[in-house]
Amino acid sequence: GQQLNQSPQSMFIQEGEDVSMNCTSSSIFNTWLWYKQDPGEGPVLLIALYKAGELTSNGRLTAQFGITRKDSFLNISASIPSDVGIYFCAGQQHNAGGTSYGKLTFGQGTILTVHP
Amino acid sequence: NAGVTQTPKFQVLKTGQSMTLQCAQDMNHEYMSWYRQDPGMGLRLIHYSVGAGITDQGEVPNGYNVSRSTTEDFPLRLLSAAPSQTSVYFCASSYSLREMNTEAFFGQGTRLTVV
Repeated sequence: GQQLNQSPQSMFIQEGEDVSMNCTSSSIFNTWLWYKQDPGEGPVLLIALYKAGELTSNGRLTAQFGITRKDSFLNISASIPSDVGIYFCAGQQHNAGGTSYGKLTFGQGTILTVHP
Repeated sequence: NAGVTQTPKFQVLKTGQSMTLQCAQDMNHEYMSWYRQDPGMGLRLIHYSVGAGITDQGEVPNGYNVSRSTTEDFPLRLLSAAPSQTSVYFCASSYSLREMNTEAFFGQGTRLTVV
């Protein structure tokens, strides 16, 4: 099956530092999404990107949809302890009718640890 | 606000046993799907449904059956559990606006162990 290559696999940072993670694919995606998963919970959407080249912010989070439609990155500025968790990129591909039927392809995840 | 509700939260099965993982959503979403999460592999799509009575296979469908008799419910059945099905299972739902509002809402997950 298709895969998104997400890196890094894990990060250990100090509170206040900035974080950057990215996803690449050999296939084109029409939508890129970034999710965060807390322990024992399901993924929660952080940012959604719908157009190639789009740069979107949500508080301290900024994400970009790559111009080639094959990659995306997520930046977290001034990290805080509650940023700890697993971050996933996910992509959607549209069929000829322009819908993805809600199907998502996920990256492997980035485990973020923030030291106070 | 219930959202997507999964039951049970934890389950231990013996090899060869069968069980059904329940998923219900109260948001009137058309699309529902099941994913499994394994360490280092992200979430992988098992089966999905685009509406009542319509289901299709995802990336890893073998060993699982689904049905969608109502908009609200999308159960996942394991007919004969195997240790390889030990995983965390997530149900998700989303709505079908023209791809500009494609947020998938996830349940809290079912942690399944097959011994």
